[in-house]
Order: sequence, then structure tokens, then C-alpha cells
Amino acid sequence: AQSVTQLGSHVSVSEGALVLLRCNYSSSVPPYLFWYVQYPNQGLQLLLKYTSAATLVKGINGFEAEFKKSETSFHLTKPSAHMSDAAEYFCAVSSLAQGGSEKLVFGKGTKLTVNP
Amino acid sequence: DGGITQSPKYLFRKEGQNVTLSCEQNLNHDAMYWYRQDPGQGLRLIYYSQIVNDFQKGDIAEGYSVSREKKESFPLTVTSAQKNPTAFYLCASSHQNSPLHFGNGTRLTVT
Repeated sequence: AQSVTQLGSHVSVSEGALVLLRCNYSSSVPPYLFWYVQYPNQGLQLLLKYTSAATLVKGINGFEAEFKKSETSFHLTKPSAHMSDAAEYFCAVSSLAQGGSEKLVFGKGTKLTVNP
Repeated sequence: DGGITQSPKYLFRKEGQNVTLSCEQNLNHDAMYWYRQDPGQGLRLIYYSQIVNDFQKGDIAEGYSVSREKKESFPLTVTSAQKNPTAFYLCASSHQNSPLHFGNGTRLTVT
């Protein structure tokens, strides 16, 4: 079985500061990992995905994440926060070896607040 | 422009009534999904369908029903058997194991 733990349900940063959102996963097979962003009252939008190619993955809006197998982590970072980054972020894990997207497991989410 | 349309955005119902949430996609995706989102709970899979006229239960299917008569449409009915129906419902689709593409959700309130 696969699982995802997002450390910190709420993270607050100042505008211009580093954003670090933590995600640890558990998987018995090589994982595929995703970060999604959700703005209030909207659906989820894919930020980036790791599918066993480069371990440092670059996504949209200046975000990136690094897959670290030894630490079973896939933390999301952005060097400089912008007010528009305020949203909820979800980490998710799946494995194509175990089927399609119905096997996607989501974390509980981290709400990011950006202070002026 | 391709995408997923969920309607209505807000829905209010009285307890004991069935209600159907609409989900339409024009992405030509084979697979469609329904998720339920509650504050601090992440997303939980209700039902999914990988092909027309076939669907499978997800993790929390009790009190819900779906149909998949057309590739583009995957409506979700919240029945009176669902004990806590008030939630934000998200429809998604995917093609050949590509990442999920989400609609903008329907917020259902049952009083």
C-alpha cells in the first residue's frame, strides 16, 4: 500500500522568502509523485510530477521538487514566495506498475499563507 | 478550449433528497473519477470509470451512485443513504495514465 504524509497542515511565509512544503511517501514499488495546487473553491492543478526520470523536477510558477529515495521525500520548494502562491498544496503518490490514476493517494494538504 | 465542466458550482438540498452532480469533459479522456474533499482530509476517491458502461467503487462509495453512458459524461448521485453528504465534490479525468485533470468542483450543502 502507498501513503503520503504532508508535514504541516499550515505554513506561513513572508513575501520573497523561501517556500518549503514537506512531503514524505511510503511505497513498496518505485513511485510516481505529484504536487497539485488548489486555489479557493477551485479544482486541483498539476504543479509538477516525478516519473523516474530526473530527480529534480521543475514545475510551473517557479516551483520545483527533489525526489530523494533514501529519505522517501519529495519536498516542494520555491526560492521566493509571491502573494499569488497562497493556496493549498497536495502531494500525491501512485505507481503505474499498480494500475492507473485510481491508485493515486493524496496527502491531507498544506495551506500556504504568504504575508506581505 | 478543452476541459472539465462541473455544474452547478453550489448546490443546496434538504436532508433525505437525492441530488445529482454533473461532470462533462471534452478532453476525449477514457477515465473519469469522482473525489470528495473535506477540510483537512485531502481527497478521497468515491467512484471511477475507465470505459463507457463500466465503473468501479473507490474508497468511500457507500451512499453514492454513478453512471457512464457516454464517454464525455460521468454524473454522481448523492443518495439519502449518504450520512454526511455536505462536502466539496471534484470530478477528474485522465488519458492512458496521464496525470489527473480536475474540474472546478461542486460544493454541496445538505441541511
